[in-house]
Amino acid sequence: DTGVSQDPRHKITKRGQNVTFRCDPISEHNRLYWYRQTLGQGPEFLTYFQNEAQLEKSRLLSDRFSAERPKGSFSTLEIQRTEQGDSAMYLCASSLGQAAGELFFGEGSRLTVL
Amino acid sequence: GENVEQHPSTLSVQEGDSAVIKCTYSDSASNYFPWYKQELGKGPQLIIDIRSNVGEKKDQRIAVTLNKTAKHFSLHITETQPEDSAVYFCAASMYRGKLIFGQGTELSVKP
Repeated sequence: DTGVSQDPRHKITKRGQNVTFRCDPISEHNRLYWYRQTLGQGPEFLTYFQNEAQLEKSRLLSDRFSAERPKGSFSTLEIQRTEQGDSAMYLCASSLGQAAGELFFGEGSRLTVL
Repeated sequence: GENVEQHPSTLSVQEGDSAVIKCTYSDSASNYFPWYKQELGKGPQLIIDIRSNVGEKKDQRIAVTLNKTAKHFSLHITETQPEDSAVYFCAASMYRGKLIFGQGTELSVKP
């Protein structure tokens, strides 16, 4: 399968714990995005990488959130000291090129904070 | 910042009827407008997109129209089928491919 893959698909954690999600984009894609989606809402932009450079972060991304994309390949999104409000689906997407174009989404990592 | 409003939030139609979903965007610099379909438990998937230099685009039963002056765009699905049932999202983008999504429309096609 050459699509965007995310791991884990589901994560249940207790408040205050740290969690990390991984995203493997389509191999030749230079751009990688993280979005958060809560029930009944559209995806909300969190952050964006072009190759290994993190070019933009949303105000939604508090200092408890950190994302990396070492070597411009896979990416990780870490949430420290999780809160119940962090419960959501975390979606990763990748795309190719410079201009706006199709984003290919993974199936998401669902986080439940108890 | 950029904002995208989408209506209606739910839409129920009979099989074979048409469905129309409308979106408005706030930033006139937006130049790319995709529509995504999301099925339960899956990530959004692109179904059609339009750029700001085009007023209308069709792909079989799906069409999108764009009115740059009014800053709104619409998705039209004709001859709806039960497998069209899903949540549909519009989005707008200015640069670097960052998409701002609408709130979504849950479409239900009744056989």
